[in-house]
Amino acid sequence: SQQGEEDPQALSIQEGENATMNCSYKTSINNLQWYRQNSGRGLVHLILIRSNEREKHSGRLRVTLDTSKKSSSLLITASRAADTASYFCATVTGDMRFGAGTRLTVKP
Amino acid sequence: EAGVAQSPRYKIIEKRQSVAFWCNPISGHATLYWYQQILGQGPKLLIQFQNNGVVDDSQLPKDRFSAERLKGVDSTLKIQPAKLEDSAVYLCASSPPGQGNNEQYFGPGTRLTVT
Repeated sequence: SQQGEEDPQALSIQEGENATMNCSYKTSINNLQWYRQNSGRGLVHLILIRSNEREKHSGRLRVTLDTSKKSSSLLITASRAADTASYFCATVTGDMRFGAGTRLTVKP
Repeated sequence: EAGVAQSPRYKIIEKRQSVAFWCNPISGHATLYWYQQILGQGPKLLIQFQNNGVVDDSQLPKDRFSAERLKGVDSTLKIQPAKLEDSAVYLCASSPPGQGNNEQYFGPGTRLTVT
């Protein structure tokens, strides 16, 4: 069964805008990871945030984690057409469980 | 460094036939995973190997699916006999020693269509 649930399921924005995706989960975790998947291809790791961390940055990516609410968010700033992809959160509690993903479309 | 390799990239078979997928992980990666990703869903873990031993196969349908990792390097995943609901992308991933809970490196996947 899948642990994380992403929201929204789909998001469409203009190039240059910010994109925010949310992930909720049900049980305690060791860490939470975000992955990107371009159409028809494998997943690429974006960022990992541990359960004792609240925020991490990587380039144009910002991830927050609220363990009291069992939720995380991924913010992509100044989006580009190349950011068009599906984004998945994955919770780690021994094994890794993926959500169903958010499909992001960035229009040029 | 070379990434995770998978073959074939695409496979079309009829139901009740058998099929096998191959994965070559990144050199030195002790942990290998097989995932099933049905269209519109996230990947679901089928089996996890640590070297050549099985760590987790709780979600592997063992009546029709089997996997092995001989010599702790390459791995094969087999389906016999296939059902229509097995149509999916099968992803292989690997992670370095001591990082079983950390970043995984994914291959491009094998897209299976069962007709």
